[in-house]
Amino acid sequence: ILNVEQSPQSLHVQEGDSTNFTCSFPSSNFYALHWYRWETAKSPEALFVMTLNGDEKKKGRISATLNTKEGYSYLYIKGSQPEDSATYLCATGRGSTLGRLYFGRGTQLTVWP
Amino acid sequence: ETGVTQSPTHLIKTRGQQVTLRCSSQSGHNTVSWYQQALGQGPQFIFQYYREEENGRGNFPPRFSGLQFPNYSSELNVNALELDDSALYLCASSQRQGAEAFFGQGTRLTVV
Repeated sequence: ILNVEQSPQSLHVQEGDSTNFTCSFPSSNFYALHWYRWETAKSPEALFVMTLNGDEKKKGRISATLNTKEGYSYLYIKGSQPEDSATYLCATGRGSTLGRLYFGRGTQLTVWP
Repeated sequence: ETGVTQSPTHLIKTRGQQVTLRCSSQSGHNTVSWYQQALGQGPQFIFQYYREEENGRGNFPPRFSGLQFPNYSSELNVNALELDDSALYLCASSQRQGAEAFFGQGTRLTVV
């Protein structure tokens, strides 16, 4: 069993606030780190797949960083909007079990207008 | 939305029964993975199929089995259903192992 931890479990912010979440994972045998956004009644949607230590990726107001040596990734949302309300899942892939993703429990974000 | 479709969307079964869940992959994807998400948990890996062969399995008993067809669609079969099998079952397809996964909307299974 591989432990992927996400914090906080849930977050309520006002429209316009910036926010960030954390994903921590074992650093050994690391292959990739995935972030997904999962809106209610929809399918999880990939935001980023990161593989290199120090990687930073950005998509609009959302960005992510990766530290494979210490085993953590941050997801940032700048100027949150109500449509950002969703559960954000992170998952790690390992070199020894390439096809398998190990998921955290997710951070549930609610953005109030 | 992704091109991955799952059926049915909801299902109620009785303990001891058998169930088959279906997944149609995104076009061009030869790898399919199945995950179980119980209430309050993250998705847990059940198994993966690559070009019709099982290619990795999580910590699930043998009564969880699967198939992948030549068109890369897939089935998840669960025999002798137990109450704890009640969960959301997600299918995900990808172009290759370790690549971005495209998920379906899931099948909500309730065992009573």
